[in-house]
Amino acid sequence: SQQGEEDPQALSIQEGENATMNCSYKTSINNLQWYRQNSGRGLVHLILIRSNEREKHSGRLRVTLDTSKKSSSLLITASRAADTASYFCATARFKDSSYKLIFGSGTRLLVRP
Amino acid sequence: GAVVSQHPSWVICKSGTSVKIECRSLDFQATTMFWYRQFPKQSLMLMATSNEGSKATYEQGVEKDKFLINHASLTLSTLTVTSAHPEDSSFYICSAREWRRGLAGGGFTDTQYFGPGTRLTVL
Repeated sequence: SQQGEEDPQALSIQEGENATMNCSYKTSINNLQWYRQNSGRGLVHLILIRSNEREKHSGRLRVTLDTSKKSSSLLITASRAADTASYFCATARFKDSSYKLIFGSGTRLLVRP
Repeated sequence: GAVVSQHPSWVICKSGTSVKIECRSLDFQATTMFWYRQFPKQSLMLMATSNEGSKATYEQGVEKDKFLINHASLTLSTLTVTSAHPEDSSFYICSAREWRRGLAGGGFTDTQYFGPGTRLTVL
């Protein structure tokens, strides 16, 4: 089951530009995480933001979280060709003493040199 | 960071055979492990959650008799795709959750680590 949707589904930008990806989810969460995946490869954890946080930075990454709107955004500044990958948000929630990490639909980012 | 391995990294099998995929947490104990599958150009879909020493919890629509999960120890979980068919061809990814209390200063660590994935092709 997928928790939410991401938009855009695909994004093509020029190197040096900023890339913004959005994620919406449906239920209450404990935290929200962003991952990247190069084609056919494993996942790389980028950043985690807790439900009581509103913004977080890590290098060229900036993540915001709006729990009232059940949405998050990932901003990659000064993009590089090496940033080309698929990006997924994932929501972590606890329900009935169980823990689950559910992924969004993903955004395919292409950074043109 | 912690490492999760999967074996094999890829496998090709004939229709009707069973395939076992191993997921190991290499330097931590994982009370909970998760299995996901991913079709080309799609997202990861959670298949099941397995806790050490107990039965796995399957997501809606996932056949438990088709996808057998065993979590025999705190560092190993296996997924067996039984009587595989071409539609089972996919990328299978496991993850392991590390949860532990901090030292005297308090706090805790709660992190999920992902394996590199296993690509299954059923002919």
